[in-house]
Order: sequence, then C-alpha cells, then structure tokens
Amino acid sequence: NAGVMQNPRHLVRRRGQEARLRCSPMKGHSHVYWYRQLPEEGLKFMVYLQKENIIDESGMPKERFSAEFPKEGPSILRIQQVVRGDSAAYFCASSPWIAGRLYNEQFFGPGTRLTVL
Amino acid sequence: TQLLEQSPQFLSIQEGENLTVYCNSSSVFSSLQWYRQEPGEGPVLLVTVVTGGEVKKLKRLTFQFGDARKDSSLHITAAQPGDTGLYLCAGLRVTGANNLFFGTGTRLTVIP
Repeated sequence: NAGVMQNPRHLVRRRGQEARLRCSPMKGHSHVYWYRQLPEEGLKFMVYLQKENIIDESGMPKERFSAEFPKEGPSILRIQQVVRGDSAAYFCASSPWIAGRLYNEQFFGPGTRLTVL
Repeated sequence: TQLLEQSPQFLSIQEGENLTVYCNSSSVFSSLQWYRQEPGEGPVLLVTVVTGGEVKKLKRLTFQFGDARKDSSLHITAAQPGDTGLYLCAGLRVTGANNLFFGTGTRLTVIP
C-alpha cells in the first residue's frame, strides 16, 4: 500500500515564477493537509482539503498561494510569483474517513523542497 | 507564540543511556501524536495518544499523555544510534479544527 506521494521532491524557481507542488494521498484517504517547514522552524499548517472542497485555509498566506484537490488527480499547492521567502519544505499529509469518522492520524509524504533563486 | 513547547531542544547522549523528551502546552488537545523526522524526509508517525493518562509502549519507546491532556512525554530506554533524529510532538485541539499544531522539536543524537 503506497504511502503519500509528493512530486517533485526538489523544485528550483526564480523569483516571479510559479511553483506547482503535487500530492497524492494514501489509497482510500479523502482528506489532505498541506504544511510548510521553513528553515530552522517547525511545521506550520497551511490548508486542509477534501475532494473538491477547501475545509480550512486559515494557515494560507492571503496572496499568491492557492490549493485544490480535484475529484480526479492529485492535490495541488500553487504558489504564484514566488519570492525568496517562499523557500521551504512543503509537506502533504492525508488521513482517512472511515465509517463516518475522520481519523486523528495524519500520514506525511516526503515533502517538496522549494528553492527560490 | 508556540502552542507546543518541547524540551530539550537538543540532546546528545551515549548509546545505552535513557532519555525523556517533554512536550508542554497550556492548551487542551483531543489527541497528541509523536513523529520522527529524518533529514530530507517527511515526519513518520510513531504513536497517537488520545486518553488523559494514557501510556503506550513501542519497543524501547514509552509515550505518556498527561491527565489533563495538555502535555506528553517520550521516554527512550537504552538509546541506540538508530534512534538519532528529530522528534516532533503534534496535537489536535479540542476546538474541532483538524490541523495539527507541531511542537518545536527535539533533535536527538545518540553517540555509539
């Protein structure tokens, strides 16, 4: 049973370009979370999505950042007009909804390391 | 402000020693999870504790959730070099939000 998959693992962008980060949750998991880990800082929540729905985006910067989780395909975290301060590791996690209940556990992918030059 | 404070931040010990890592907060959590993260990788879930006072054992690792569900500890017996890594606690608040609040992390080095 494959775990959470993220790609690319490493992404280099120049200031002003767009970055697209992809996340495929574990099989059977319908809930996806994105977290950001800045250098020398802890993991911070960004956004929580279900299929075709954003449930909680309270951790997302107001501008340039967006996320989606379409009916088919992976979840996408999109950063427009990247700046140097966006350089970080971005992690996706997923959790299952079983028998009408969202499970506490979140399982993380290997992350995408974004470097903005 | 950090919701979950971990201590110590760094810990370097000899193989065979015991150690305890603490995770403290003034907030109540519905559950608390411990993760270990290797360089360049994502956090790997070790355990979830849900009930106040709960104790869970995973081989040489013992996890405890405080009675008031505000704090937790991780105790490692007879540490081995393979235990080296970044240990993170993360909590789900009782307010109903599903996002995890992560602790500041404890970087453990076990010297052979």
